[in-house]
Amino acid sequence: DTGVSQNPRHKITKRGQNVTFRCDPISEHNRLYWYRQTLGQGPEFLTYFQNEAQLEKSRLLSDRFSAERPKGSFSTLEIQRTEQGDSAMYLCASSFQGSGWSPLHFGNGTRLTVT
Amino acid sequence: GENVEQHPSTLSVQEGDSAVIKCTYSDSASNYFPWYKQELGKRPQLIIDIRSNVGEKKDQRIAVTLNKTAKHFSLHITETQPEDSAVYFCAATPTGDKIIFGKGTRLHILP
Repeated sequence: DTGVSQNPRHKITKRGQNVTFRCDPISEHNRLYWYRQTLGQGPEFLTYFQNEAQLEKSRLLSDRFSAERPKGSFSTLEIQRTEQGDSAMYLCASSFQGSGWSPLHFGNGTRLTVT
Repeated sequence: GENVEQHPSTLSVQEGDSAVIKCTYSDSASNYFPWYKQELGKRPQLIIDIRSNVGEKKDQRIAVTLNKTAKHFSLHITETQPEDSAVYFCAATPTGDKIIFGKGTRLHILP
């Protein structure tokens, strides 16, 4: 399967702990996006990368959230000092941006539960 | 602004009838408008997209229309089938290179 891969699929953590998620995009894709989705809502934009450069981060995103894409391939999303409100599905998506828009390909997501 | 408003939030149609979902966007710089379908427990998947230089696009039973002056676009599904039951999301591309999604429409196809 050459689609977008996310690990782990599920993560249960206690409030105050740090968690890290990984996303492996489709290999030739230069754009990588992170979204958060809660029940009954649409994907909420968090941040995105063009190759290894993080180009934008949502103004709504707490400083507890950080993302990296060190070699322009896989990406990690870390949440420090987790809170119950961080419980959500974290979706990664990738695309190839050339001269115009191309569709996002989503991974299956990482479901985070903070107890 | 970067809002994408989508309505209705829930839609029930009889099998075989048509379904229409409407979205509006606030940033006139938006030039790409994809639609995604998400089945329960699965990832969102692209079903159709339209770019700002086109007013309408059709793919079998699915069509999308775009009115850039009014800043709204719509998804039309004809001859609905049970497998069309899902949540549908519209999206737009405000200034910058991010894709912003609407809150979704839960479509129920009634037997």
